[in-house]
Amino acid sequence: GEDVEQSLFLSVREGDSSVINCTYTDSSSTYLYWYKQEPGAGLQLLTYIFSNMDMKQDQRLTVLLNKKDKHLSLRIADTQTGDSAIYFCAESMRGTYKYIFGTGTRLKVLA
Amino acid sequence: DTAVSQTPKYLVTQMGNDKSIKCEQNLGHDTMYWYKQDSKKFLKIMFSYNNKELIINETVPNRFSPKSPDKAHLNLHINSLELGDSAVYFCASSQDLIRRLAESQETQYFGPGTRLLVL
Repeated sequence: GEDVEQSLFLSVREGDSSVINCTYTDSSSTYLYWYKQEPGAGLQLLTYIFSNMDMKQDQRLTVLLNKKDKHLSLRIADTQTGDSAIYFCAESMRGTYKYIFGTGTRLKVLA
Repeated sequence: DTAVSQTPKYLVTQMGNDKSIKCEQNLGHDTMYWYKQDSKKFLKIMFSYNNKELIINETVPNRFSPKSPDKAHLNLHINSLELGDSAVYFCASSQDLIRRLAESQETQYFGPGTRLLVL
């Protein structure tokens, strides 16, 4: 089946690291994504990881993939107030056009 | 340079009306999508077109009809609007499936959203 789950809320202090978690159920996923949605805006692709990778780093962002547990995480180092947003994980399956989105995690960064 | 654009940005209308939302992408992509985001921010795919051909049609009332005049445009027409249609509608686009797999390009780009309020 297709199901992508995330915790709904996360609150961190400015300067700390944030870790946003996601679990998915479809083992045929090819790519896994992280999107950021700021208030009143569309979804902005932050990063993605191919399913044969364990880790991907891009500046302050680190994506970890545990394929055995079907667990994806996004770590934001030195979290800033501008990082406050909703973060969606998503998966796509090889050979399909379909993208399945998680429920979104609202990250609030406290000054 | 706007990659995926939608019009209008806001749409307020009465129940029972018919309205359209337009989407255009200038990325040269072959596949376009419509998503609905409800008040809880849950994002659900509604339709997808590849080269003007419907390829994904989720369980959506037939009052919703997508139309793709060419591969750069995917419009959404909604008949007999209902209160429950109030949501944010996002258009998105991505590269053709075969090219995505061959060229390892696997990204989906979103428009800014159309906020629909049905009174």
